[in-house]
Amino acid sequence: DAKTTQPPSMDCAEGRAANLPCNHSTISGNEYVYWYRQIHSQGPQYIIHGLKNNETNEMASLIITEDRKSSTLILPHATLRDTAVYYCIAESGSARQLTFGSGTQLTVLP
Amino acid sequence: NAGVMQNPRHLVRRRGQEARLRCSPMKGHSHVYWYRQLPEEGLKFMVYLQKENIIDESGMPKERFSAEFPKEGPSILRIQQVVRGDSAAYFCASSPGPQNYGYTFGSGTRLTVV
Repeated sequence: DAKTTQPPSMDCAEGRAANLPCNHSTISGNEYVYWYRQIHSQGPQYIIHGLKNNETNEMASLIITEDRKSSTLILPHATLRDTAVYYCIAESGSARQLTFGSGTQLTVLP
Repeated sequence: NAGVMQNPRHLVRRRGQEARLRCSPMKGHSHVYWYRQLPEEGLKFMVYLQKENIIDESGMPKERFSAEFPKEGPSILRIQQVVRGDSAAYFCASSPGPQNYGYTFGSGTRLTVV
């Protein structure tokens, strides 16, 4: 499984876009990029996933570089409720399990 | 439309006792995953089950831990003869099919071994 690298923490002002980077330089062709978040020891929440195209849903956008070595999760208008640990995971679609790393603690400031 | 239900939310056991953690998946979901989160750490995969079958238990400790997902009723994670190192949050997730995206996680069971 590809290892992902994320900054341990980030701050973002409320109402601004939060851009969370993730490096996955050893990702292989059949591995997807998944993003989950965990709000204060609750169960993790699925956000978005992608293979090589950029993706958008009601929660966020996922931008994957052309070489797939890195990606960015974008929360377009961060709110205080978006304060959480965000996990970037690179995993094959057939693995049926997710390998959670340390994630990025995003703090949205009023 | 209830989500993934885990109970109990908090469980205290003395060393040597048994712990039973229950997980009812979302309606229509037949795939269940168990994860463990030790204090100040990320979640670690334990086991993946479908109804009446264990598909992948590569993350389960070899001894004292077992899991089942019977045809009727919730999935059960059973820990026998608990030790202090078993103290953790145990999360269950479910999905409608064999996939890594769109899991729905429960709120977890926090096990404390005293």
